[in-house]
Amino acid sequence: AQSVTQPDIHITVSEGASLELRCNYSYGATPYLFWYVQSPGQGLQLLLKYFSGDTLVQGIKGFEAEFKRSQSSFNLRKPSVHWSDAAEYFCATGTASKLTFGTGTRLQVTL
Amino acid sequence: SQTIHQWPATLVQPVGSPLSLECTVEGTSNPNLYWYRQAAGRGLQLLFYSVGIGQISSEVPQNLSASRPQDRQFILSSKKLLLSDSGFYLCAWSLDTGGGQPQHFGDGTRLSIL
Repeated sequence: AQSVTQPDIHITVSEGASLELRCNYSYGATPYLFWYVQSPGQGLQLLLKYFSGDTLVQGIKGFEAEFKRSQSSFNLRKPSVHWSDAAEYFCATGTASKLTFGTGTRLQVTL
Repeated sequence: SQTIHQWPATLVQPVGSPLSLECTVEGTSNPNLYWYRQAAGRGLQLLFYSVGIGQISSEVPQNLSASRPQDRQFILSSKKLLLSDSGFYLCAWSLDTGGGQPQHFGDGTRLSIL
């Protein structure tokens, strides 16, 4: 069965610093991979997705993610974090019509 | 463009009372529809999903039920709420065009059981 692990529950970075959120997946074939962001009290917003092709995927809000098959990872990155990026981030993988979500990483941004 | 609406945004209910949360999607036909629950500080738990009118799949045994009376309407219900039903409920939709489609989420309903 497919699964997603986000090993970091909580991360704190300074505004302007770079960010990397980790995601590891477990799936036999090439997975479909997603990153979502959730602000407090809101629904989830899709940041980016990977289906195939170029392993470096660009998303909205200046985020990117890199698919590394050898490491079963799909880490989310941003070169310079803004205070408004403080939120919870979820990695997800899916097949057919269902997604499996990780437990999320809460990002705190200090000024 | 497609939009998803969920209501109410906030709901406070006594234990033992009934529940009805509604979700509608606009701008697409025959979407896949989903209900998730998100407990405080935890990830998303898929409760139900539907690939068509009247077709409901339940992911976990629980006190809740779901129905899809129309193509773009998805309802989450309970006859008698429990304290453990408290949480943040999210509805989502995706295109029914094969594997790997992203899901798009509503703004959620915060349900508090007293």
